[in-house]
Amino acid sequence: QVQLQESGPGLVKPSGTLSLTCAVSGGSISSTYWWSWVRQPPTRGLEWIGEIYHRGTTNYNPSLRSRLTMSVDKSTNQFSLRLSSVTAADTAVYFCARLYGSGNYYKKRFDYWGQGILVTVFS
Amino acid sequence: QSVLTQPPSVSGAPGLRVTISCSGSSSNIGAGYDVHWYQHLPGTAPRLLIFGDSNRPSGVPDRFSGSKSGTSASLAITGLQAEDEADYYCQSYDSSLSGWLFGGGTKLTVL
Repeated sequence: QVQLQESGPGLVKPSGTLSLTCAVSGGSISSTYWWSWVRQPPTRGLEWIGEIYHRGTTNYNPSLRSRLTMSVDKSTNQFSLRLSSVTAADTAVYFCARLYGSGNYYKKRFDYWGQGILVTVFS
Repeated sequence: QSVLTQPPSVSGAPGLRVTISCSGSSSNIGAGYDVHWYQHLPGTAPRLLIFGDSNRPSGVPDRFSGSKSGTSASLAITGLQAEDEADYYCQSYDSSLSGWLFGGGTKLTVL
């Protein structure tokens, strides 16, 4: 059973950088999956942030691309998110998730999720 | 702006049936991209409920079903149970976004 667990600071100052890590257990991050980040601002719905393949290829939400960096650490079976120049609008619960599905990329879905971590941008 | 529109809330009595709609456009559902549905209880990990428009992962009761037509999709829940009370989200690929799009979410209340 694959499990994902987010970790990182729960408070970030405005204009600072939000850094989160997702630890993957029960499976290898080098498997043929995309590893994703999704967030949920307070009282709002889910927003896709971006995803990374174990070889380092990334796809980012265009609205966040200029501030976003994702990376994979195969040695620790973890992947990470860095979001720079944060504002109060970046306050959200951040989820990591596995994007799963064989064949057509556009048929993939998020099959395993972490429980999420609340990150508050607050001075 | 690409959006998937869901009703903010639906409700139903135990044992009855409810449906949750997900309205998209020609750049997502209408383009033929698969629709997936998730169940989310705040404070927990979202759960994949329906994938590929109408398929259930193992372990999901057959009380949950999905369908798609044109630029819209629907999730139906029959035989409502108190444990079904949660937030439900649809999701699809969007070619304008070049990424994954979620609906705004629907809160299901079991009366």
